[in-house]
Amino acid sequence: ETGVTQTPRHLVMGMTNKKSLKCEQHLGHNAMYWYKQSAKKPLELMFVYSLEERVENNSVPSRFSPECPNSSHLFLHLHTLQPEDSALYLCASSQVGVAYNEQFFGPGTRLTVL
Amino acid sequence: AQKVTQAQTEISVVEKEDVTLDCVYETRDTTYYLFWYKQPPSGELVFLIRRNSFDEQNEISGRYSWNFQKSTSSFNFTITASQVVDSAVYFCALSGEQAGTALIFGKGTTLSVSS
Repeated sequence: ETGVTQTPRHLVMGMTNKKSLKCEQHLGHNAMYWYKQSAKKPLELMFVYSLEERVENNSVPSRFSPECPNSSHLFLHLHTLQPEDSALYLCASSQVGVAYNEQFFGPGTRLTVL
Repeated sequence: AQKVTQAQTEISVVEKEDVTLDCVYETRDTTYYLFWYKQPPSGELVFLIRRNSFDEQNEISGRYSWNFQKSTSSFNFTITASQVVDSAVYFCALSGEQAGTALIFGKGTTLSVSS
């Protein structure tokens, strides 16, 4: 595997379900990100993990719970979601400590909440 | 506050036409970075270019070229002789001085190239 991978690619869940999105980066980076992309909206940053510590949480509802067990893996745990949470969830990684912040993205998980 | 504006929501061209995608940014940082990403129908954002605020040289890569002008806070992207495979959503993004800060994205421009 190369780059940033995400599983599953598609997910349909009911509002009472609990599911998790998985992201893995094979680039040796030390920062990982979750973004939400809804129709007709710009990409919204949800969470940032730098050196496995959460450094940013942009007022995301508690029904979204991130987990970063190591620098290569990032999870987004989902529970009791709402239909408006249906979106493309993108994971990205970058190398903190360099002068720039070039992020590399995974293919995304297309989430539909019924 | 940082902001990126892509005023063109959708652009449609015919193959072989040249097309320019506009990007205007706002930031108070003296050091910042600008990016362009391409999002094809598959959904993955593909990194195209990074430019730092101290480097105003234009860049050309094949059919792609970028025009960075600090005086107008713009970082425009031109595709020469467009092809159907160029059809995608293109995002301009901005990053501040501190490494590890998130990218601020524009709303994107949907480019449709027909044969």
